[in-house]
Amino acid sequence: RKEVEQDPGPFNVPEGATVAFNCTYSNSASQSFFWYRQDCRKEPKLLMSVYSSGNEDGRFTAQLNRASQYISLLIRDSKLSDSATYLCVVNSWGGGADGLTFGKGTHLIIQP
Amino acid sequence: NAGVMQNPRHLVRRRGQEARLRCSPMKGHSHVYWYRQLPEEGLKFMVYLQKENIIDESGMPKERFSAEFPKEGPSILRIQQVVRGDSAAYFCASSPGRDNQPQHFGDGTRLSIL
Repeated sequence: RKEVEQDPGPFNVPEGATVAFNCTYSNSASQSFFWYRQDCRKEPKLLMSVYSSGNEDGRFTAQLNRASQYISLLIRDSKLSDSATYLCVVNSWGGGADGLTFGKGTHLIIQP
Repeated sequence: NAGVMQNPRHLVRRRGQEARLRCSPMKGHSHVYWYRQLPEEGLKFMVYLQKENIIDESGMPKERFSAEFPKEGPSILRIQQVVRGDSAAYFCASSPGRDNQPQHFGDGTRLSIL
């Protein structure tokens, strides 16, 4: 199963700042991409899907670069409640892998 | 709440016992996935099932672990003769289909082996 790599952090960021994470994936046959958020000892929750054209949801912007095989997540005007682990997730179905491949996550801490 | 339902939330077993973890997918979802998360680690895919079929079990340990998704009732992840290293959070996810569909997760079962 191919890997997904993320900087584990932690990223310590003051409230109100903008923060960006990148994630790289190794399977060029990957079909779909997601960012999930996981709070301590809780289940992953879908934050947003990542489309080739880039997409935005409120303060969150996700981008995909297929040529370089990386995905990014940008959080603007960060809130204390954004503190969590952000998981980069790749779906490589049809390439011999039907589950999602998760990165180990990037730990974000928003400081007041 | 029509989300993915897992039970029990916490399960304690002694070494050598059996553990059964249950998962009911979200309404309208026919695809179920099991993942394991060890402490301080990322989620690892274990198995993908549809009703009465195992589609991909490439992430399942070769021994002691089995999974099923019967025609009626929840999906079951079964661990026989548990060992300390089986202590982990086990998450179930479901999706309506396979193609580019995000998966939605249950709250997980925390398994502790004494």
